Amino acid sequence: AQKITQTQPGMFVQEKEAVTLDCTYDTSDPSYGLFWYKQPSSGEMIFLIYQGSYDQQNATEGRYSLNFQKARKSANLVISASQLGDSAMYFCAMRPFRDDKIIFGKGTRLHILP
Amino acid sequence: GAGVSQSPRYKVAKRGQDVALRCDPISGHVSLFWYQQALGQGPEFLTYFQNEAQLDKSGLPSDRFFAERPEGSVSTLKIQRTQQEDSAVYLCASSLVGTGIIATNEKLFFGSGTQLSVL
Repeated sequence: AQKITQTQPGMFVQEKEAVTLDCTYDTSDPSYGLFWYKQPSSGEMIFLIYQGSYDQQNATEGRYSLNFQKARKSANLVISASQLGDSAMYFCAMRPFRDDKIIFGKGTRLHILP
Repeated sequence: GAGVSQSPRYKVAKRGQDVALRCDPISGHVSLFWYQQALGQGPEFLTYFQNEAQLDKSGLPSDRFFAERPEGSVSTLKIQRTQQEDSAVYLCASSLVGTGIIATNEKLFFGSGTQLSVL
């Protein structure tokens, strides 16, 4: 069965520091896509970054990077130079390419402190 | 429209009532998903449409839940005889590509959701 595990229910980080949000996944499918989404208090899910299982390099999008360790089935999100506006829920997600649905973890609530 | 639109934004229902939640995906998007998000939890998959075809409804929790997308654009999620455990945010998302192919960077665009409260 496919599964996403996010072990950090909540995190507090000082503004301007870097933060790593943990994500591990479980799938028997050899090909899959990994995603991170941000959900602010407004409720909308905002796409942040994508990593394909076949990608050789870690994905980067501005201040976001994905630390992809395929052998460990790990896809941690790194946010550099955190900002107050980064305070939100963050969800790791995965879609095996054979499947049609994206499955989500339970999320990590990130608080950025001024 | 520019984004995925869901209505109503909030819905309060008495237990036993039927409700209908609407989703307007981004124009031209092939895939449409419905997710249920309980408070403090991640979204849980309900059902998936590729154009007008409902290809996966494995996540629908009971036969009280029904979804349709008759013309391959707007979708409606209907819940009959609502129960208190149905209280959640219902999220709709659309994607340009259909699944079943390897997309190098498929992206789901989500609406703001409908918050359903069953009293």
